[in-house]
Amino acid sequence: EIVLTQSPGTLSLSPGDRATLSCRASESVSSNYLAWYQQKPGQTPRLLIYGASSRATGFPDRFSGSGSGTDFTLTIIRLEPEDFAVYYCQQYGSSPPTFGQGTKVEIK
Amino acid sequence: VQLQVSGPGLVKPSETLSLTCNVSGASFTNYFWSWIRQPAGKKLEWIGRIYTTGSTSYNPSLKSRVTMSIDTPNNQFSLRLTAVTAADTAIYYCAGSNWNLFDPWGPGIQVTVSS
Repeated sequence: EIVLTQSPGTLSLSPGDRATLSCRASESVSSNYLAWYQQKPGQTPRLLIYGASSRATGFPDRFSGSGSGTDFTLTIIRLEPEDFAVYYCQQYGSSPPTFGQGTKVEIK
Repeated sequence: VQLQVSGPGLVKPSETLSLTCNVSGASFTNYFWSWIRQPAGKKLEWIGRIYTTGSTSYNPSLKSRVTMSIDTPNNQFSLRLTAVTAADTAIYYCAGSNWNLFDPWGPGIQVTVSS
């Protein structure tokens, strides 16, 4: 199975900062089928990005995804208070689908 | 779309974990239906998925112990995990999926395996 490694584990930033989250795959992700999920405390994960760069319904354009092959990035420009959460990457190009361990974006 | 998981929060070692997910507000036949779990401090783990035809796909790591079923007229699907151990203690989520892309997720249920 494909192993996803996210870095950093924790990102301490201030509102208005730019966040850059990394997700690296142990092998190439088929068709760039890489998703990102946002999970706020006490809530369920919510699909944020799919196909590496397509934003899901309801998320503003300050969220963007990029990358291909084995290296993917989630960028959040101008962090808002509601953006502080845990972000998971997930590949769905190969079975079984697998997740990264998450990056926590916390308020500095 | 709303999903709601029901089932016991405590299961004894070696027994069978059984959960049911009820779905409302969605066309049940438009989705695959999946189970995902997250042990404390560990990665999310896909358990498997089922379609309304009854077709299933399971994570090889759990395949020998997992059975999923579906009740389309009542918009619900279920998970059975046999011979549980402490390693199966986790938050269990049900989710609608487009193949293996998960959206939406249900609220999750904490299941603890302990005597």
